[in-house]
Amino acid sequence: DAGVIQSPRHEVTEMGQEVTLRCKPISGHNSLFWYRQTMMRGLELLIYFNNNVPIDDSGMPEDRFSAKMPNASFSTLKIQPSEPRDSAVYFCASNLQGAQGYGYTFGSGTRLTVV
Amino acid sequence: GENVEQHPSTLSVQEGDSAVIKCTYSDSASNYFPWYKQELGKRPQLIIDIRSNVGEKKDQRIAVTLNKTAKHFSLHITETQPEDSAVYFCAASPFTGNQFYFGTGTSLTVIP
Repeated sequence: DAGVIQSPRHEVTEMGQEVTLRCKPISGHNSLFWYRQTMMRGLELLIYFNNNVPIDDSGMPEDRFSAKMPNASFSTLKIQPSEPRDSAVYFCASNLQGAQGYGYTFGSGTRLTVV
Repeated sequence: GENVEQHPSTLSVQEGDSAVIKCTYSDSASNYFPWYKQELGKRPQLIIDIRSNVGEKKDQRIAVTLNKTAKHFSLHITETQPEDSAVYFCAASPFTGNQFYFGTGTSLTVIP
């Protein structure tokens, strides 16, 4: 298995532009998580899906952020419009819900810079 | 919700010495506690985990202990090596959910 695959690895965009981050979870995993990592706040859970259904989006900062999971093998995190304070590393992770005790597998992350 | 606190935020040890990182959690329903290691510029990777029905678990030079009564758990690294230098995160997961609540991380530096 190739693991959790994220794209792009790096994204530099201008303030006000739309940004879309992509994630492919590990095949067979039914839970997917989006995290944001910054020096100030550490790893913050933004949203997670079970069986493609959003379960908890209380970590999504504001309406500029949205996430979708149209099928078991793909998810997107969109920021529109982007702002400099959105600059961070965004990680996607997946695991098998119900198998309590299985840690997440993280993707390589997308480093987002908004200028 | 769950609140995980992690200490210290930075730790420097001489090569060969031991390192200990401590975490506390607030939700007594949490029953799974993984530890992640993140090297500079890379993804967090699971290094060891422990369930609430176990008090201690060991894997070569790393071990984790859990005290459910006191709601704290610790990571122990013995005979540290320069390649152990990284940021370490603890996490707690409640029985009723699948999400992990992470500590703020400990930056470990092993001095050769």
